Amino acid sequence: DTGVSQNPRHKITKRGQNVTFRCDPISEHNRLYWYRQTLGQGPEFLTYFQNEAQLEKSRLLSDRFSAERPKGSFSTLEIQRTEQGDSAMYLCASSLDLITTDTQYFGPGTRLTVL
Amino acid sequence: QKEVEQDPGPLSVPEGAIVSLNCTYSNSAFQYFMWYRQYSRKGPELLMYTYSSGNKEDGRFTAQVDKSSKYISLFIRDSQPSDSATYLCAMRTGGGNKLTFGTGTQLKVEL
Repeated sequence: DTGVSQNPRHKITKRGQNVTFRCDPISEHNRLYWYRQTLGQGPEFLTYFQNEAQLEKSRLLSDRFSAERPKGSFSTLEIQRTEQGDSAMYLCASSLDLITTDTQYFGPGTRLTVL
Repeated sequence: QKEVEQDPGPLSVPEGAIVSLNCTYSNSAFQYFMWYRQYSRKGPELLMYTYSSGNKEDGRFTAQVDKSSKYISLFIRDSQPSDSATYLCAMRTGGGNKLTFGTGTQLKVEL
């Protein structure tokens, strides 16, 4: 399968713990995005990378959140001191930077439950 | 008020019906419009991608964009039970990167 992959698929943690998620984009895609989706809502943009550079961050991305894409390939999203409000589906998407189109393809998501 | 408004449904139709799904938006800078399908507990899957105003057809799916009314639609012909899912509209500006989504419309196609 050559689509976007995310690990783990599910994560249950206790409030106050740190969690880290991984995203592997489609191999030739140079853009990578993180979104968060809560129940009954559409995905909301968190942050975006072009190669290894983090170019945009949403106000939703508080100080407890950090994302990296160290070699321009896979990316990690870390949440420190998790809160119950962090419970959501975390989605990763990737795209190929073309002048005429920038179609984002999504992974299956990581579902986080904070107890 | 949200930038993109979408009726959450649920919408229930019989098999074979024509389904019409819609979104309205407020940001006139949006130029690229997408429809994604999302099955329960899965990631969104791209269905249609259109630029600016006009129609685009792909098999049983037709996407329409009316920028003057800030209104986009997705039509599904000959709906099947396998079309039962949540349909998300998404859009972005010409120079932007992030997608802005609607809340999604939950569709159920019944036998």
